[in-house]
Amino acid sequence: AQKITQTQPGMFVQEKEAVTLDCTYDTSDPSYGLFWYKQPSSGEMIFLIYQGSYDQQNATEGRYSLNFQKARKSANLVISASQLGDSAMYFCAMRENSGGYQKVTFGTGTKLQVIP
Amino acid sequence: EPEVTQTPSHQVTQMGQEVILRCVPISNHLYFYWYRQILGQKVEFLVSFYNNEISEKSEIFDDQFSVERPDGSNFTLKIRSTKLEDSAMYFCASSEEQLVSHEQFFGPGTRLTVL
Repeated sequence: AQKITQTQPGMFVQEKEAVTLDCTYDTSDPSYGLFWYKQPSSGEMIFLIYQGSYDQQNATEGRYSLNFQKARKSANLVISASQLGDSAMYFCAMRENSGGYQKVTFGTGTKLQVIP
Repeated sequence: EPEVTQTPSHQVTQMGQEVILRCVPISNHLYFYWYRQILGQKVEFLVSFYNNEISEKSEIFDDQFSVERPDGSNFTLKIRSTKLEDSAMYFCASSEEQLVSHEQFFGPGTRLTVL
């Protein structure tokens, strides 16, 4: 079974609109962390936002927020007021206690294109 | 802001040749990682390294691969005899702690092309 599932291979959004990128995860560990990374066409991986399994509040970082629904095992990324520079691949990822937090498991990514 | 650096940014090699990919993690970080991303696919964990030892490795990390911290700053990934399927982007990452909340900081990657 996939640990991290991103069901949207590609998304389009109009500039200045909000967009939600979906992510569901699978773990039996009570302690885990969820991350979103952005990968522009230049290839580097840029950390965006983190949500811990015990966090009561949804994480926010500027225009990024994470819609964490623990019972549904989903951790969707919301980007508000999209900008042209947001066009990139977005990866959802997880660290688990059973992995000793050694590795980050990534989803297959969503390619976001922001339209002017 | 401190960052992970990787050299070279792009390496082209012939099949069967050895390559060494270099990384300089963030200076106060203790945990180091290598990941790879085959073009168009997801990022896959290769190996983690702590206290001069491999702490975990994936099934991808076979005997052709090795890692080393030859001095206090560099962290290297060696591929002994490259295969065509080793062509990928290789990312180095480091983290300060091994706690779930601590992000791994990724370097910009080395694109390896095996001909």
